[in-house]
Amino acid sequence: KAGVTQTPRYLIKTRGQQVTLSCSPISGHRSVSWYQQTPGQGLQFLFEYFSETQRNKGNFPGRFSGRQFSNSRSEMNVSTLELGDSALYLCASSPQTGFSYNEQFFGPGTRLTVL
Amino acid sequence: SQQGEEDPQALSIQEGENATMNCSYKTSINNLQWYRQNSGRGLVHLILIRSNEREKHSGRLRVTLDTSKKSSSLLITASRAADTASYFCATGAIQGAQKLVFGQGTRLTINP
Repeated sequence: KAGVTQTPRYLIKTRGQQVTLSCSPISGHRSVSWYQQTPGQGLQFLFEYFSETQRNKGNFPGRFSGRQFSNSRSEMNVSTLELGDSALYLCASSPQTGFSYNEQFFGPGTRLTVL
Repeated sequence: SQQGEEDPQALSIQEGENATMNCSYKTSINNLQWYRQNSGRGLVHLILIRSNEREKHSGRLRVTLDTSKKSSSLLITASRAADTASYFCATGAIQGAQKLVFGQGTRLTINP
């Protein structure tokens, strides 16, 4: 099976702009999670989607949003970009059957730089 | 905020030696997972240990979990240069969906 893919891999934006990142999970995986990684805060959970519904959300402002489509592909959007949004954004998918925890499979990430 | 801490923050050893990394966490968990990350790339899942398990092995990896001390350790035996990476522990809560809370990670360097 193909792994988790994320597009674009690199992105440069300026303050105030908005950005949309895309994630295609492993075929058959219905859970998609997003994480932000920065040198200062480390890896932080943004949100998780399952069957097109946001099931969990981290402590991020409303400028961060996401959605999941019927084919499980997911997008996250950041509006009104700030310098502090510069980070590696990682998407992870999981087969998750029932309420049991499964390992998460991560994509290569999108490196966002805000100037 | 991070769930816990990893110790040490950085570790440098010679190839062939064993590497041990520790992770402490704060709240009750359903499971604890270890991931590896090479140079700012995506994370690779190494091993998952559930809260009712005390030890788990996978190849050269050995993970222990002590829920009474809220701590875990990852042992990599017979290290190789290719093991050079950052290692993260991540905890899954008892209730909730696929939300992992990561530690700050240990930067492991294997010297040839």
